[in-house]
Amino acid sequence: EAGVAQSPRYKIIEKRQSVAFWCNPISGHATLYWYQQILGQGPKLLIQFQNNGVVDDSQLPKDRFSAERLKGVDSTLKIQPAKLEDSAVYLCASSLGLAGPETQYFGPGTRLLVL
Amino acid sequence: AQSVTQPDIHITVSEGASLELRCNYSYGATPYLFWYVQSPGQGLQLLLKYFSGDTLVQGIKGFEAEFKRSQSSFNLRKPSVHWSDAAEYFCAVGGSQGNLIFGKGTKLSVKP
Repeated sequence: EAGVAQSPRYKIIEKRQSVAFWCNPISGHATLYWYQQILGQGPKLLIQFQNNGVVDDSQLPKDRFSAERLKGVDSTLKIQPAKLEDSAVYLCASSLGLAGPETQYFGPGTRLLVL
Repeated sequence: AQSVTQPDIHITVSEGASLELRCNYSYGATPYLFWYVQSPGQGLQLLLKYFSGDTLVQGIKGFEAEFKRSQSSFNLRKPSVHWSDAAEYFCAVGGSQGNLIFGKGTKLSVKP
């Protein structure tokens, strides 16, 4: 079974530029998550989708971050304009989306450096 | 508010020695608890999880964890550490919407 795919794996941009990350979850997984992991910290949820609807985006900085999952499968996360403090690893995860506790499966992440 | 505390930022153990990584959580209801491992440049891999039932949980790679409600803890243990266990370990609690709330992680170094 293929895992969660993310691209690109690495990205270097200058502040005020824009950047987009892509995630393809495990086939059949209804729930998709984007996490931000700053160096030395644990991952923090940015946004959670159930199919193509947003479940939780309370910690997404909406003035600069946006995310979509138009067909309920793959997803893109965009930052525009980027700030120095956005340097982090962006992790995508997916789960089946059933009621109750579930295991989340993580992709390899996209490492972003903002100069 | 839900939170996870991992008191040890960095631990060094000798190869073959036993290991215990500490995790304390704050959660009002019955917690769903997880341990993940992250190797350099990699994503997170699930080691084990606790949803209900037996409080001693077995995971992959010889790891186990014990849920202690009275101490709000979910410590990770391994009887004999291998050099390949060097990585960063994250404890997490499942939030009300199914998201994960992570601790800051414990980096494990293994001495030969």
